[in-house]
Formats: sequence, C-alpha cells, structure tokens
Amino acid sequence: GAGVSQSPSNKVTEKGKDVELRCDPISGHTALYWYRQRLGQGLEFLIYFQGNSAPDKSGLPSDRFSAERTGESVSTLTIQRTQQEDSAVYLCASSSDSYTGELFFGEGSRLTVL
Amino acid sequence: GQQLNQSPQSMFIQEGEDVSMNCTSSSIFNTWLWYKQEPGEGPVLLIALYKAGELTSNGRLTAQFGITRKDSFLNISASIPSDVGIYFCAGQGTGTASKLTFGTGTRLQVTL
Repeated sequence: GAGVSQSPSNKVTEKGKDVELRCDPISGHTALYWYRQRLGQGLEFLIYFQGNSAPDKSGLPSDRFSAERTGESVSTLTIQRTQQEDSAVYLCASSSDSYTGELFFGEGSRLTVL
Repeated sequence: GQQLNQSPQSMFIQEGEDVSMNCTSSSIFNTWLWYKQEPGEGPVLLIALYKAGELTSNGRLTAQFGITRKDSFLNISASIPSDVGIYFCAGQGTGTASKLTFGTGTRLQVTL
C-alpha cells in the first residue's frame, strides 16, 4: 500500500508474555520512528532509525523494550515480559527527510495487557 | 518523556466559530509542526513552520512560529464538523533533528 502499515491492529496479551509489533514504512522512506500513546495522552518517543546509522534508543522506557529494522524496510518493536502499564497504542511513522519533522504515521497497534 | 504544554486541553464549539490553541515549551525549537489525529488513526501533518515569526496558512488553518522559538499557535476559522479530532503541536530542535517532541493535545468537539 501507499501508506505506513502496522500489524496487528489490536493485541490482547497476558501479563508476562512477550509481544511483537510490526511496521512497514512507506517505500523509499529512510527514517522510521516508534511512538507510544497512552489513553488520552500525547505521543511519547521510543526509538528512531535513519538509514544505516545507529538507532536513537533514548526513548525506550526499559530494557524490556527493543526494536529492530531490516535495512530501510520493515521494523519490529518487541516488548518482553509485558506489564499492565505497557497498555497503549504503539504508533509507527516514516519520513523521507529526517530534518523537516514531516512524519507519516500508521494507524497504530493497540496493545492491551491483562 | 518530555512533552510540550498545549492549551486548552479540550474545546467545545459551535459550527462556524473560530478556534485558537497554543503550545509552549521551556526549550527552543527550530521547527514547529501541527498534527491532527482522528479516532483510530495516526496523526496527520497539517502545517509545518521553519522560521521564527513565520505565519503560514493552509486553507482555514493558520499557524505561527513564535518569535521566542518557544511557542506556537494554531487558528482554525469557520469550524466545520470534520474539524473534530485531537490537535497536537510538535517541536524539533537542533541536534535532535529526527526526534519530535509532541504536545499534550487539544481535543476539539464541534456541535451543529
């Protein structure tokens, strides 16, 4: 498709389980971002990938969170040993130019940890 | 993480009214942006501002980049029902060109 694609759109899991969230950016976009949005809140930066540079992981809240990106395509956000406070919508965005702030967002993956 | 302060938090207005919201930061930004988020979707870029003092319009939307580089405002004129959503400001500073800091959001409701 033409836009950023995320899967799954909804995920319900039990506390302590691991989850993987996937993001397919817009073709040709070199920059990819993950944000977390808790209910009624703004967007919290998690991690940023730009080409082959080392990712900016400064927003990851704990070592239970990690993300990978294959070249300039798909990215996977992994949350290990999920906790109830991890419940949120996880938004992925891509950009063709990291210096303009013009991000294109996916619809998000809603994670519910019971 | 750091967030920008937006006000008001929510607004209930009648169709046809003008709307104004603003965003303030303790940090200087080189770029200010305004995004809109509708239910079940990711935010969509409305306006981008790259120079202090800049005033930019996009249809019924007008945004300004504050002279101090620590604030921005967004105006919507003659609101219509499809303006409903959450409006987020976002700032981007030097040295962190890739990382946007988002505001807390302004939820807009438009009644007929």
